[in-house]
Amino acid sequence: DVKVTQSSRYLVKRTGEKVFLECVQDMDHENMFWYRQDPGLGLRLIYFSYDVKMKEKGDIPEGYSVSREKKERFSLILESASTNQTSMYLCASSSPLGQGAKNYTFGSGTRLTVV
Amino acid sequence: SQQGEEDPQALSIQEGENATMNCSYKTSINNLQWYRQNSGRGLVHLILIRSNEREKHSGRLRVTLDTSKKSSSLLITASRAADTASYFCATANSGTYKYIFGTGTRLKVLA
Repeated sequence: DVKVTQSSRYLVKRTGEKVFLECVQDMDHENMFWYRQDPGLGLRLIYFSYDVKMKEKGDIPEGYSVSREKKERFSLILESASTNQTSMYLCASSSPLGQGAKNYTFGSGTRLTVV
Repeated sequence: SQQGEEDPQALSIQEGENATMNCSYKTSINNLQWYRQNSGRGLVHLILIRSNEREKHSGRLRVTLDTSKKSSSLLITASRAADTASYFCATANSGTYKYIFGTGTRLKVLA
């Protein structure tokens, strides 16, 4: 069974801390994504990567960075955590379905609370 | 920028009834997908419909797509309590790596 694994289900961090959220996929997918999900706002794309060491900003990249040193791992970094980054973070990878379509596989999510 | 918008935001029905959710989007798309999210979990892919298709079925799911109206609907027939979840549509333009998700419809099926 294919999988996207996020290292933590729940995380509590202090304001100003540097936070690493890890995501690993075992499907040899080229594309990986980080979203945050907030009530009433749906899923918003933070960053995505279409290949190793390649990254592109999504819709809300401010306050975040990413790292993709290996194909299977995509890390989201909060350089200095703030309370407005309290959210559910979802990682996904995608496989091509042909004719431009892609199927996203999501991890279970990390609920981050910044205090 | 929000591409897909689901309607209604919340829906509550009795077990055995049908549930219909709608999605509207703004630009031309290559395909549209529907995902399901159980509370506090990740999203799970349900069904994909391409821009040249008008209707698609998968088990109790029926999806329609009207590209002239830029809208799609997801019908769940004979709903079960286990269908209680949030449902999202996702759209992508041709040649893009990324899908844009709507804000979702929260479905509650009462036993």
